[in-house]
Amino acid sequence: GAVVSQHPSRVICKSGTSVKIECRSLDFQATTMFWYRQFPKKSLMLMATSNEGSKATYEQGVEKDKFLINHASLTLSTLTVTSAHPEDSSFYICSATPLAGYNEQFFGPGTRLTVL
Amino acid sequence: SQQGEEDPQALSIQEGENATMNCSYKTSINNLQWYRQNSGRGLVHLILIRSNEREKHSGRLRVTLDTSKKSSSLLITASRAADTASYFCATANTGRRALTFGSGTRLQVQP
Repeated sequence: GAVVSQHPSRVICKSGTSVKIECRSLDFQATTMFWYRQFPKKSLMLMATSNEGSKATYEQGVEKDKFLINHASLTLSTLTVTSAHPEDSSFYICSATPLAGYNEQFFGPGTRLTVL
Repeated sequence: SQQGEEDPQALSIQEGENATMNCSYKTSINNLQWYRQNSGRGLVHLILIRSNEREKHSGRLRVTLDTSKKSSSLLITASRAADTASYFCATANTGRRALTFGSGTRLQVQP
């Protein structure tokens, strides 16, 4: 099946620093990737839709200047949490689909961000 | 609300028993998918059922979809301790490729 990787899997940083999370589709090309956020014992909330070669589409309430998304190639999207604060601590998961239309999405293993 | 509801929120059963989880959603959908998540890990796709389908099977999994009631159920038969995980339904809403997730059911299968 299609494989999506994320790096790093876990990061601990100090308040005020910026953290970059990478999402890669390893064996397929993805014109669209999605970024979700998950709090402990909660469901996934869509943050933004990342489009290759164009600006990301952010969900209501998600600060685009806070969560910078870059989709520079068909296999890589990055999420940068700028000036991180403790309330940004969460589990961030990306997903991608190799096909057009509505099909199953393949999820990365997630990145656990802890901001001290 | 962006998310649908799942019930029960938590379910504890004995190995060998069946587990049934329900999901309700609010909008028109293209398909509905079920995912499994082990604690602190990514999501694993289990099964996809399209809006024009009513029932689908995959191994020990059986999924039903009732679009008139905007609801779906996931049945895991002959459960095993390794089935212990959180299970989420997710809908691909018409006109939107991103998934909308339900609140999830935490399943505990006692050996």
